[in-house]
Amino acid sequence: DVKVTQSSRYLVKRTGEKVFLECVQDMDHENMFWYRQDPGLGLRLIYFSYDVKMKEKGDIPEGYSVSREKKERFSLILESASTNQTSMYLCASSPSDGDQETQYFGPGTRLLVL
Amino acid sequence: RKEVEQDPGPFNVPEGATVAFNCTYSNSASQSFFWYRQDCRKEPKLLMSVYSSGNEDGRFTAQLNRASQYISLLIRDSKLSDSATYLCVVRLSGYSTLTFGKGTMLLVSP
Repeated sequence: DVKVTQSSRYLVKRTGEKVFLECVQDMDHENMFWYRQDPGLGLRLIYFSYDVKMKEKGDIPEGYSVSREKKERFSLILESASTNQTSMYLCASSPSDGDQETQYFGPGTRLLVL
Repeated sequence: RKEVEQDPGPFNVPEGATVAFNCTYSNSASQSFFWYRQDCRKEPKLLMSVYSSGNEDGRFTAQLNRASQYISLLIRDSKLSDSATYLCVVRLSGYSTLTFGKGTMLLVSP
């Protein structure tokens, strides 16, 4: 079974704090993704990575950065958290194996920025 | 125009009912298609891939119409445990990223 884990299920931070969200997958997948999910807006891609030290912007990268120093780990960083970054953050991974490659999600981190 | 559109619902059905969800996508270069299921406050999980010839997995049947850029999911003999949000998902050829619809909520009642 593919396993994607995220460092925290719930997180409360204050405006201006630096926030690190960690994601680890154990299936040697090449691709990793960070999404946020908000009511009425669905899943939106923040950043993704297709290899170690590689990153690509998704649809809403502003206010975020990422780091992928090891294949199994993909970190999302909020340099200075703001209240509009309160959301559910979901990490996913996928292999690079053709048309039917699909993504496996972690359990999510609910972040509240006060 | 939204890339992947779904009726948000909710669809309220009794146990045993048959329910169908529809989804349209705007990019004709879309190559792969999936249905994901998301339970309340949980992560999305793959329900099934959608193949050109249509495919079935137990009570679930998925259909793809490339000409109309339309995907469907049929659930027969609904169970209480089918209550969830169903996400329509597409992937462009040559890309690893997925585009998600906003989901259709299903509520199955006794």
